[in-house]
Amino acid sequence: DQQVKQNSPSLSVQEGRISILNCDYTNSMFDYFLWYKKYPAEGPTFLISISSIKDKNEDGRFTVFLNKSAKHLSLHIVPSQPGDSAVYFCAAKGTGTASKLTFGTGTRLQVTL
Amino acid sequence: GAVVSQHPSRVICKSGTSVKIECRSLDFQATTMFWYRQFPKQSLMLMATSNEGSKATYEQGVEKDKFLINHASLTLSTLTVTSAHPEDSSFYICSAPGLDHNEQFFGPGTRLTVL
Repeated sequence: DQQVKQNSPSLSVQEGRISILNCDYTNSMFDYFLWYKKYPAEGPTFLISISSIKDKNEDGRFTVFLNKSAKHLSLHIVPSQPGDSAVYFCAAKGTGTASKLTFGTGTRLQVTL
Repeated sequence: GAVVSQHPSRVICKSGTSVKIECRSLDFQATTMFWYRQFPKQSLMLMATSNEGSKATYEQGVEKDKFLINHASLTLSTLTVTSAHPEDSSFYICSAPGLDHNEQFFGPGTRLTVL
């Protein structure tokens, strides 16, 4: 039972354009969401997060939007850079679950020149 | 941010042997650490929660007798894959929460290959 889904396994975007990565979840008990960037054979690197009491959080080129009613979140990267090419995972955490994270299936982003 | 290390980064072993993977929080203490497994092109799946001074909590479907977890100190958790088989070949990653329990810091991972 995949509680966190990223329906696009891959995405290709031109340098300078906006990258939009999407994530859907089914568990209404999730109250905190995170995005991680991962290179092969390395651990995930934290990018940005959002609490369920907010609908937007911005940090530099990265913005995360949360639509609780739709159980959907998205990560916007603008402008996209070649160094952004990696696999992006969204993750969700529920109240009182002691930081236990449930990860999505990942989206491979390729930023082309 | 906080740093989590893992050792070894890569290990190749023969079927039937046991392999120990270490996870250390380098500049902070972690009463809880998490062990994940990632198969190629798949998501990170939580295997177990390691608790300092007490037994680990395993996720459904994870054999606790096969994946032994020891959290002997506030900075070290170990995962031992016992009697490893080729199907145990995977990328194993540990993590530890920061002071803000919404944060989680990941180690660089250990690539296990069982021949």
